[in-house]
Amino acid sequence: QKEVEQDPGPLSVPEGAIVSLNCTYSNSAFQYFMWYRQYSRKGPELLMYTYSSGNKEDGRFTAQVDKSSKYISLFIRDSQPSDSATYLCAMSFPPSWGKLQFGAGTQVVVTP
Amino acid sequence: GAVVSQHPSWVICKSGTSVKIECRSLDFQATTMFWYRQFPKQSLMLMATSNEGSKATYEQGVEKDKFLINHASLTLSTLTVTSAHPEDSSFYICSATNQGGPNTEAFFGQGTRLTVV
Repeated sequence: QKEVEQDPGPLSVPEGAIVSLNCTYSNSAFQYFMWYRQYSRKGPELLMYTYSSGNKEDGRFTAQVDKSSKYISLFIRDSQPSDSATYLCAMSFPPSWGKLQFGAGTQVVVTP
Repeated sequence: GAVVSQHPSWVICKSGTSVKIECRSLDFQATTMFWYRQFPKQSLMLMATSNEGSKATYEQGVEKDKFLINHASLTLSTLTVTSAHPEDSSFYICSATNQGGPNTEAFFGQGTRLTVV
């Protein structure tokens, strides 16, 4: 069993819809949760990060963490075709905060 | 955010030759750098952790004699794929961090696509 599970998709949504992405994890030691966006043949770009259970909002993005259920989510409101990319969840634990365990990545396609 | 530059962005080499990939932190000193590989439609898999001035720590299943990592300065780490074979063809990505606490952010390079023919 992988430590971080993420549905690879693809997930296709119409422009303007809410994109809902999630990951589950098995290792309760994870304390630092991140969402990255990756365009084809490029390095990942950090979108959101959070440490605690609850919601964190940044513009059109909302990250949710439920440590009791070992479940994290990312919501993208008012999706745009430019949001079409692969979204990867990642997590880490101390002391190796920068050593990331990634999910498989979900390919998102936003259609005009 | 900070900038991490990876070079080359793509390389084609013949089977049996060696290829060196550079990862540079351009505007900060990277105490730790990480090397990942990514196969098509798969996630990033950590290969090794590199700390400046010390030997790299390799993940289980990664051959340290095949994937040589050098982190000679706080701004440069290199990955050398030795005696490359077609199965080494992959997308290699580095990340760099500048601190070790809870606010650590990993900055990623743009990746290197290696094709071994």
